[in-house]
Amino acid sequence: AQKVTQTQTSISVMEKTTVTMDCVYETQDSSYFLFWYKQTASGEIVFLIRQDSYKKENATVGHYSLNFQKPKSSIGLIITATQIEDSAVYFCAMREGDNNAGAKLTFGGGTRLTVRP
Amino acid sequence: GGIITQTPKFLIGQEGQKLTLKCQQNFNHDTMYWYRQDSGKGLRLIYYSITENDLQKGDLSEGYDASREKKSSFSLTVTSAQKNEMAVFLCASSGGAEQFFGPGTRLTVL
Repeated sequence: AQKVTQTQTSISVMEKTTVTMDCVYETQDSSYFLFWYKQTASGEIVFLIRQDSYKKENATVGHYSLNFQKPKSSIGLIITATQIEDSAVYFCAMREGDNNAGAKLTFGGGTRLTVRP
Repeated sequence: GGIITQTPKFLIGQEGQKLTLKCQQNFNHDTMYWYRQDSGKGLRLIYYSITENDLQKGDLSEGYDASREKKSSFSLTVTSAQKNEMAVFLCASSGGAEQFFGPGTRLTVL
């Protein structure tokens, strides 16, 4: 069975610094997808970035990037030059297999990020 | 782009009551999902549907029914509301790897 674990329940950083949020996963599949989502204070959940297991290069979107360490089953989210608006809860999620139909996501418990001015 | 709408935004019911939550998407996505999020917790999958009239159970399906009458809509029914079911219910849809989420329905059971 797949499992996703985020050990950091909350992190607080100063504005304009870099933060890394950890996530480890368990899967028996050789092909899988990893995602990070952001949940704002209003409850809205927004897709941020994705890593496909077969890709060696770390994904980057804007000021979000991933640190994918496949041998360690780890997918860290790095946010550079943090802004106050980055304050939110961040969820790591995994999808097994390469068949889109009926793809289920397993979510971690989330990490609450607070960015201080 | 597209949008997912969930109705109602807030739902208040009595213990033991049958309650229905609705979700509509205009992405033209095949797969739709219902998740439950308890306060301060992650998301848990209740039901999902890979096409019209299809239904698949998630990890938390007991106490719920779902219905996918057409591609764009997916409803969830709480068969007998319980006080410990106070949570936010999130609908999502997917046409590929990523899932896109609706704004949620907050359920309160009196």
